[in-house]
Amino acid sequence: AQKITQTQPGMFVQEKEAVTLDCTYDTSDPSYGLFWYKQPSSGEMIFLIYQGSYDQQNATEGRYSLNFQKARKSANLVISASQLGDSAMYFCAMREGHQAGTALIFGKGTTLSVSS
Amino acid sequence: GAVVSQHPSWVICKSGTSVKIECRSLDFQATTMFWYRQFPKQSLMLMATSNEGSKATYEQGVEKDKFLINHASLTLSTLTVTSAHPEDSSFYICSARVRIASEGYTFGSGTRLTVV
Repeated sequence: AQKITQTQPGMFVQEKEAVTLDCTYDTSDPSYGLFWYKQPSSGEMIFLIYQGSYDQQNATEGRYSLNFQKARKSANLVISASQLGDSAMYFCAMREGHQAGTALIFGKGTTLSVSS
Repeated sequence: GAVVSQHPSWVICKSGTSVKIECRSLDFQATTMFWYRQFPKQSLMLMATSNEGSKATYEQGVEKDKFLINHASLTLSTLTVTSAHPEDSSFYICSARVRIASEGYTFGSGTRLTVV
């Protein structure tokens, strides 16, 4: 079974509109972390936002917010007021546990296209 | 802070030759380095986890004799693609764990390998 599922291969949004990128996860570890990264065509991985499994409040970072629904095992990324520069691939990722040697597991990604 | 410098950013090599990719942690000590591979428009797939001073742990299906990983110091990890073939052409990216939980991980800028 996939650990991280991103069901939207591509999303299209107009400038200044909000967009939600979906992510569901699967883990039996009570301690985990959820991450969202942006990857432009250059290939660099840009950290956007983090949500810990024990965090009571949804994470927010500027125009990015994470809609964390623990019971549903979902961690959707909401981008408000989209900008042309937001066009990129977006990855949801998970870390299970807290050990230093734990790698991130990535979803398949969603390509976001913002038009003017 | 927490920068990983990855070189080269791109490389073209002939089939049958070997290519070395370096990842250096510039301002912190990377006890553990993760190596990922990414095909165009696809997810980041974990290849191996390297720990300073010990043998790397490879994911299932990754040929350890083909993808040699060395982590001889706390600031340098290398991936050598031996006897490269066109099917090894891909984007390779390294990542290290950092102490700041909100960021969690830092990534190199990636290496685009083309084998001709």
